[in-house]
Amino acid sequence: DIQMTQSPSTLSASVGDRVTITCRASQSINNWLAWYQQKPGEVPRLLIHKVSILQGGVPSRFSGSGSGTEFTLTISSLQPDDFATYYCQQYNVYSGTFGQGTKVEIK
Amino acid sequence: EVQLLESGGGLVQPGGSLRLSCAASGFTFSNYAMTWVRQAPGKGLECVSGISGSSGVTYYADSVKGRFTISRDNSKNTLYLQMNSLRAEDTAIYYCAKRDYSNPSTYAPLFESWGQGTLVTVSS
Repeated sequence: DIQMTQSPSTLSASVGDRVTITCRASQSINNWLAWYQQKPGEVPRLLIHKVSILQGGVPSRFSGSGSGTEFTLTISSLQPDDFATYYCQQYNVYSGTFGQGTKVEIK
Repeated sequence: EVQLLESGGGLVQPGGSLRLSCAASGFTFSNYAMTWVRQAPGKGLECVSGISGSSGVTYYADSVKGRFTISRDNSKNTLYLQMNSLRAEDTAIYYCAKRDYSNPSTYAPLFESWGQGTLVTVSS
């Protein structure tokens, strides 16, 4: 099965920082890569699909990039509302494997 | 507005059974694939089982294959998950989730809409 590995697992940052989260797939996923945000006690929210396409209503400070098996989520200027856990996910095959998550904490 | 409302969770002993339901509204249910995604306490997300709009395609994670059965009743706009032979490691919040792509024949695990989840606890 396809494995998705995120790094780092935890990230401490300050408001205004540029933040980058990396996601690596164990094999090609044909760029069927999504990113979700989950805040404590809330359901996940889809931010980005097909590597770089922002969902409606997602602030433009979020961006996605990458290809093949290496992908990144970048927050250009971290805002207080962005402290959350972020998951990458492949949807190339039915298993829809998620990464283990990256928790973005306040520094 | 899309609404997904899960029910049926609760406390069950190991080896027991539960049936989860997800009542959908705000869209033409039969046109959309649906998925059960679970999240163990303090842990990440796992796609458990999915089904296409026409029920022609189903998916099960290896961890639940042979124990869980997904189904849907398009006349009632409801998704189900029958869970048998439950184990402690099945303890989780179970979300139903929907992809915003209208095609009753296909399935892909991308989730634009989520329910609030129902908690399943397997413990003696």
